[in-house]
Amino acid sequence: QSALTQPASVSGSPGQSITISCTGTSSDVGTYNLVSWYQQHPGKAPKLMISEVSKRPSGVSNRLSGSKSGNTASLTISGLQAEDEADYYCCSYAGSSIWVFGGGTKLIVL
Amino acid sequence: QVQLQESGPRLVKPSETLSLTCVVSGYSISSGYHWGWIRQPPGKGLEWIGSIYGSGSTYYTPSLKSRVTISVDTSKNQFSLKLSSVTAADTAVFYCARHTYGSGSYSFEYWGQGTPVTVSS
Repeated sequence: QSALTQPASVSGSPGQSITISCTGTSSDVGTYNLVSWYQQHPGKAPKLMISEVSKRPSGVSNRLSGSKSGNTASLTISGLQAEDEADYYCCSYAGSSIWVFGGGTKLIVL
Repeated sequence: QVQLQESGPRLVKPSETLSLTCVVSGYSISSGYHWGWIRQPPGKGLEWIGSIYGSGSTYYTPSLKSRVTISVDTSKNQFSLKLSSVTAADTAVFYCARHTYGSGSYSFEYWGQGTPVTVSS
């Protein structure tokens, strides 16, 4: 299983919207609606932000939304805020009791 | 509130076995859910290592399967990771986490704070 592909970095100004892509294959993202997204601030543990492609856990801002098309999942953050600056990782179930993460995307708030 | 806390040696010599423990509080491991280990090399992304169910059934990422053993001690409400024949490439921050499997979201909902392990002589 190969890591899911994410852009190394994305940037946006406060108030703008950004989208982070997560490309897998027909064996993982394309088959299972079991993509999750994690936010990680420097030196901290990852935090679950989106599960099952588009579901937000309790307490997660509704400025975050997730979607999927084919083998690519996406995380959109609207109304960018300084506190959104962090690394974001996607993760997908890949069948056969295997999970695979993306390489991570650094979100820079300009 | 579910809490996970990793512990173990922070320095391991090459070719030796890395051993870490994750103590769970606020939830009984034997009550359900799956319990996993994830690592993050310095400056790099996350890698799922493997997981265990409270009953003891395990599953591992194929690339590490030959070197990994995950076990559970329900009496102490903890689970453990052993990674054998380590090299410098195994240097990472290791996280333990709770996730669902078989039903639910299959996502990692609760995480430990992480523990750094360096492989060096």
